[in-house]
Amino acid sequence: AQSVTQLGSHVSVSEGALVLLRCNYSSSVPPYLFWYVQYPNQGLQLLLKYTSAATLVKGINGFEAEFKKSETSFHLTKPSAHMSDAAEYFCAVRGYSSASKIIFGSGTRLSIRP
Amino acid sequence: DVKVTQSSRYLVKRTGEKVFLECVQDMDHENMFWYRQDPGLGLRLIYFSYDVKMKEKGDIPEGYSVSREKKERFSLILESASTNQTSMYLCASSSTGGSGKTEAFFGQGTRLTVV
Repeated sequence: AQSVTQLGSHVSVSEGALVLLRCNYSSSVPPYLFWYVQYPNQGLQLLLKYTSAATLVKGINGFEAEFKKSETSFHLTKPSAHMSDAAEYFCAVRGYSSASKIIFGSGTRLSIRP
Repeated sequence: DVKVTQSSRYLVKRTGEKVFLECVQDMDHENMFWYRQDPGLGLRLIYFSYDVKMKEKGDIPEGYSVSREKKERFSLILESASTNQTSMYLCASSSTGGSGKTEAFFGQGTRLTVV
C-alpha cells in the first residue's frame, strides 16, 4: 500500500530564509507525487506534481521539489520565504493505475517570522 | 477549469440523523474521492470511486457509505451521525492519469458539526 510521511507538523522560518518541507513516500513502484497548499479558510490548491518526466519539478509561487528514488523522498523547497507562504502544505502519492487512490500526508503548517 | 462543487459549506446535524453530503464535478473525471480533514491528521481517505457504481474503501470507511449513480455525482452518507464525525469533509475528482493529468481537484469542503 502506498503512503506518505511528512516530517514536522509545524515549520517556522524567517522571511527571506530557505523553506524546506520534508516528504517521504512508500510505494512498490515509482508513483506520481504531489504537493498541495491550503491557505487559511481556503480549499486545496496544487503546487506541483511529479509524473516521471523530470526529477526536479518547478511549481507555482517559486516552489520546487526534487524526486529522489534512492531516498524515497520528494521534499519541497523555496529559496526565499515570503509572508504570503504561510499556509498548510500536504504531500500526496498516487499509483500508476487508472483507478488509483490518492493518499495524503498529515500536513505541515508553515509559519513565516517577520 | 475543473469545478468540483459540494452542496453545502456548513452543516449542523443531530446525533443519530442520516446525513447526505453531495459532490458534483464537471470535467467528466472517472475517479472521485471523499476525505475528511482533521487538525494534525491531514486528509484521510474515506471512500474512492473509479467508475459509476464502483467503489473502494479508504482508510476510515466505518460509519460511512457512498453512492455513485452518475459519473459526475458522488455522495457521502453518514448512516447515523455521531459527534466524532464532526469534521471538514472534502470531495475531489481526478482523471485516469493519461497525458500526465494525474492530480486531484478539490471542492471547497463541507464543515459538518454533529451535536
